[in-house]
Amino acid sequence: DAMVIQNPRYQVTQFGKPVTLSCSQTLNHNVMYWYQQKSSQAPKLLFHYYDKDFNNEADTPDNFQSRRPNTSFCFLDIRSPGLGDAAMYLCATSKTFIGTPGAVEKLFFGSGTQLSVL
Amino acid sequence: AQKVTQAQTEISVVEKEDVTLDCVYETRDTTYYLFWYKQPPSGELVFLIRRNSFDEQNEISGRYSWNFQKSTSSFNFTITASQVVDSAVYFCALSENNAGKSTFGDGTTLTVKP
Repeated sequence: DAMVIQNPRYQVTQFGKPVTLSCSQTLNHNVMYWYQQKSSQAPKLLFHYYDKDFNNEADTPDNFQSRRPNTSFCFLDIRSPGLGDAAMYLCATSKTFIGTPGAVEKLFFGSGTQLSVL
Repeated sequence: AQKVTQAQTEISVVEKEDVTLDCVYETRDTTYYLFWYKQPPSGELVFLIRRNSFDEQNEISGRYSWNFQKSTSSFNFTITASQVVDSAVYFCALSENNAGKSTFGDGTTLTVKP
């Protein structure tokens, strides 16, 4: 059973047209992450939420925003997609941060949403 | 700054061969964590293993084994008797204290031919 669910699997949008990608989890994990992965490259962390606390990576463009209305859902909003934003977007969760004493943490990933920008 | 290098971009083997995927890392931290993930064609990254910097004990899980050498800053991954289902992209990653804020290597694409 899928525990981190991303919809849709494929998303096509037009240059400059706002698009939202969704992620849901059934694990009741505190932390949710969004990664961008371009073809043949490593995943790149965009931001993460620890509960309601939002943490943006320093090099994440302002064009990318995120919302987490509740524990289960997290959204990635791209306000004005450019051709360079075409990529696979991966959502991941973890119960807590790896440095928490006693925690044995790992990331659980969704299957990703492949975004195309026309 | 952290860095993870997976020098092998692509590896192709024939089924039942053993294959080793290399991972070399750089960090200034004394406490850190190393991971291997598998990304099959379906796209989902699958956690394989996590290693703490203070635990150099090697690990074996079925056909998978990992060799952690702090002296050479390496965390290599060996698949014994490879199978077609092992075909995937494999990522090595390094984290200081947050599994999500990992630095990933560029991945090694493994193709196992029947």
